[in-house]
Amino acid sequence: RKEVEQDPGPFNVPEGATVAFNCTYSNSASQSFFWYRQDCRKEPKLLMSVYSSGNEDGRFTAQLNRASQYISLLIRDSKLSDSATYLCVVGGRMRFGAGTRLTVKP
Amino acid sequence: GAVVSQHPSRVICKSGTSVKIECRSLDFQATTMFWYRQFPKKSLMLMATSNEGSKATYEQGVEKDKFLINHASLTLSTLTVTSAHPEDSSFYICSATRQGAQETQYFGPGTRLLVL
Repeated sequence: RKEVEQDPGPFNVPEGATVAFNCTYSNSASQSFFWYRQDCRKEPKLLMSVYSSGNEDGRFTAQLNRASQYISLLIRDSKLSDSATYLCVVGGRMRFGAGTRLTVKP
Repeated sequence: GAVVSQHPSRVICKSGTSVKIECRSLDFQATTMFWYRQFPKKSLMLMATSNEGSKATYEQGVEKDKFLINHASLTLSTLTVTSAHPEDSSFYICSATRQGAQETQYFGPGTRLLVL
């Protein structure tokens, strides 16, 4: 089993849609979790950290479920500019998921 | 903000030559720097973790004699790809964590290496 697994996608959604990604991890001792976005041929950029209580930043909501060992990212009212690959990262050994590709269409 | 730069951004070299890539944290001191490699449409693969003044820790399967990492200061780490071959062609990205924010990584813009 991979240390970090993500929905492979691709997700193709219309503008304004709500979309959710999941990411499972295998190391139950992991303490920190992040979501990054990566645009084509660019470096990853931190989108948000994921806290135990869940956290929200504008249209983005991240949640952590320790019992089931997954984190999620919810994007509301998606914009064309949200099109990117979303990477989940599990701390400690900083393992990246393979990424979920999102395309938001007009 | 926390800015990380990489140089060069793109390099083309002949097979058998060595290539050095620099990673700098511009406005903060980096306790740890990471080197990743990413092949097209694939995820980032951690190659090694380096701390200033100590030897890098390499991931399984990464040859330390081929990918030399030097972390001479709190703001500079270098990756040297020795005797590069076409299969080393990839996107190399560094990241750095800052003191006090140990887990958040700030990424450099990456270096595209093409070995002919």
